[in-house]
Amino acid sequence: GENVEQHPSTLSVQEGDSAVIKCTYSDSASNYFPWYKQELGKRPQLIIDIRSNVGEKKDQRIAVTLNKTAKHFSLHITETQPEDSAVYFCAASGFQKLVFGTGTRLLVSP
Amino acid sequence: KAGVTQTPRYLIKTRGQQVTLSCSPISGHRSVSWYQQTPGQGLQFLFEYFSETQRNKGNFPGRFSGRQFSNSRSEMNVSTLELGDSALYLCASSKDRGRVGTGELFFGEGSRLTVL
Repeated sequence: GENVEQHPSTLSVQEGDSAVIKCTYSDSASNYFPWYKQELGKRPQLIIDIRSNVGEKKDQRIAVTLNKTAKHFSLHITETQPEDSAVYFCAASGFQKLVFGTGTRLLVSP
Repeated sequence: KAGVTQTPRYLIKTRGQQVTLSCSPISGHRSVSWYQQTPGQGLQFLFEYFSETQRNKGNFPGRFSGRQFSNSRSEMNVSTLELGDSALYLCASSKDRGRVGTGELFFGEGSRLTVL
């Protein structure tokens, strides 16, 4: 079955810096890769997703890149702000269940 | 449009007891998934239901079970509770575009279970 590894587990940056979170997946049949953000005490919410026929997708300050050959994908957040502080989860799925990574706690210091 | 509703929000049980958690999906969503969230383990997939049928199951013991009703509401049950079952149980619904796992998941606020 699918296995998703996520790094780092914690990430501390200064406001205005960029943050990068990386994930690898095991199932080459996986073709959908969403990212969810969970603020403290709140429910996870989708922030961006990418499908396997696309190499990169951007939405304002966030972007996701996908390398199908290497089976890894990354979340990039530019010009980080304190409100970006949260736990971020990557996930991967093919024809089966959506499997999540273990999460990255991002802390943006003013 | 109402979001995903989970009940109860908090509950405390003792080892050996059983518990039933409920999830009401967003109107029109036919797929309901359940996840267990614990510190350090992220979101672990329990099972997914679509049109009253279990479509996928995660790697949890048989003590964890679920079902879905004709109105898409779902319940999950954990029998013979163990201390390690203490966690936040999240339910998520999606429109389901016909292929598993390719639609946005809308999560509920979760049911926090504490087993003493």
